[in-house]
Amino acid sequence: AQSVTQPDIHITVSEGASLELRCNYSYGATPYLFWYVQSPGQGLQLLLKYFSGDTLVQGIKGFEAEFKRSQSSFNLRKPSVHWSDAAEYFCAVGAEGGGSYIPTFGRGTSLIVHP
Amino acid sequence: DAGITQSPRYKITETGRQVTLMCHQTWSHSYMFWYRQDLGHGLRLIYYSAAADITDKGEVPDGYVVSRSKTENFPLTLESATRSQTSVYFCASSRDFNTEAFFGQGTRLTVV
Repeated sequence: AQSVTQPDIHITVSEGASLELRCNYSYGATPYLFWYVQSPGQGLQLLLKYFSGDTLVQGIKGFEAEFKRSQSSFNLRKPSVHWSDAAEYFCAVGAEGGGSYIPTFGRGTSLIVHP
Repeated sequence: DAGITQSPRYKITETGRQVTLMCHQTWSHSYMFWYRQDLGHGLRLIYYSAAADITDKGEVPDGYVVSRSKTENFPLTLESATRSQTSVYFCASSRDFNTEAFFGQGTRLTVV
């Protein structure tokens, strides 16, 4: 079965600084990979996704992620963080099995942004 | 309005009572999911459905029942609520097996 590890429970950055959130996955084949963001009291919103092709994926709100097969990683990056980026971030991996898609989520990384 | 809606947003119930959380989507998405979110555990899949009348267990199905008689609705029932089921519950839907999931705003359930 697939699994997702987000090693950082909390990340603190200053506004304007760069950001990288780590995500490692375990899956035998090429996975479907996602990053979601959850603002307080809200549901999850998709930031970006990777299925195949170019390993550098652009998403909304200025985020990007890079798929590295050799490292089983899909890290999320942003060159300059804004205070409004403070939220919970979830990495997810989807596995295709028997025509079903069952996404597995990591435990999340809480981003704190200092002014 | 188009989208995915959950009701109620907040619910307090007593141990042993049956409670049903509702989920409705207007996109006619094939796939629907129920997750629970707990501190330190992230999102855990309870049940999912690939189409009407097709449901399957996720990671933590014990104590929950689902049904999907219509494509747009996917209710989650706690047959006899326990304190360990206090959580925030999220419903989600996706068009196909390899597309993004859209999430509802969640139901905060407290079992006392």
